[in-house]
Amino acid sequence: EVQLQESGPGLVKPSQSLSLTCSVTGYSITSNYWGWIRKFPGNKMEWMGYISYSGSTSYNPSLKSRISITRDTSKNQFFLQLNSVTTEDTATYYCARSLIRGTFDYWGQGVMVTVSS
Amino acid sequence: DIQMTQSPASLSASLEEIVTITCQASQDIGNWLAWYQQKPGKSPQLLIYGATSLADGVPSRFSGSRSGTQYSLKISRLQVEDIGIYYCLQAYSAPWTFGGGTKLELK
Repeated sequence: EVQLQESGPGLVKPSQSLSLTCSVTGYSITSNYWGWIRKFPGNKMEWMGYISYSGSTSYNPSLKSRISITRDTSKNQFFLQLNSVTTEDTATYYCARSLIRGTFDYWGQGVMVTVSS
Repeated sequence: DIQMTQSPASLSASLEEIVTITCQASQDIGNWLAWYQQKPGKSPQLLIYGATSLADGVPSRFSGSRSGTQYSLKISRLQVEDIGIYYCLQAYSAPWTFGGGTKLELK
């Protein structure tokens, strides 16, 4: 069975970097697409970006140059780094598998990240 | 960016009632539309992909349809376990964008 699990700090200070790990079991991240999605307080959802089976990436332009998604195929993990965070980045962050564009069929349980001093 | 206008924002319905949620795309997105359900305290779950295809394990009371740039999710007979927030997601072009969500409650 495919399982994804996010991990990382639940509290980040403004201007610092947010770093999250998504550990995948039951399926290789060298196949398909692997994305990050976040849900803000108030229920708005935002697609942040993905890393493909080949290692190519696609990012939401709204995140400009702050975002980076990388991977470690030896550990079957992929990572999110979001730089220069503000309180507006407070959200629950999810990692998910995408078989085809926009079709996220497996999700992690989500990790709540608060940006606060 | 493609805007997805989802309605209604909230909905109260009775058991066994037919429920319809819609998403209006700001431009043509073909069939690159998925629907997700998020139950309280849980991760989102894929219901419909390709605008009309039912995801594995999803009850047949859920269905998706398309009319031009308007997409609909229909629940034919509302059950208690269907309570939650529903989102559409377009993946025709990046950035992929979600609708604002519909909070479905029991009347």
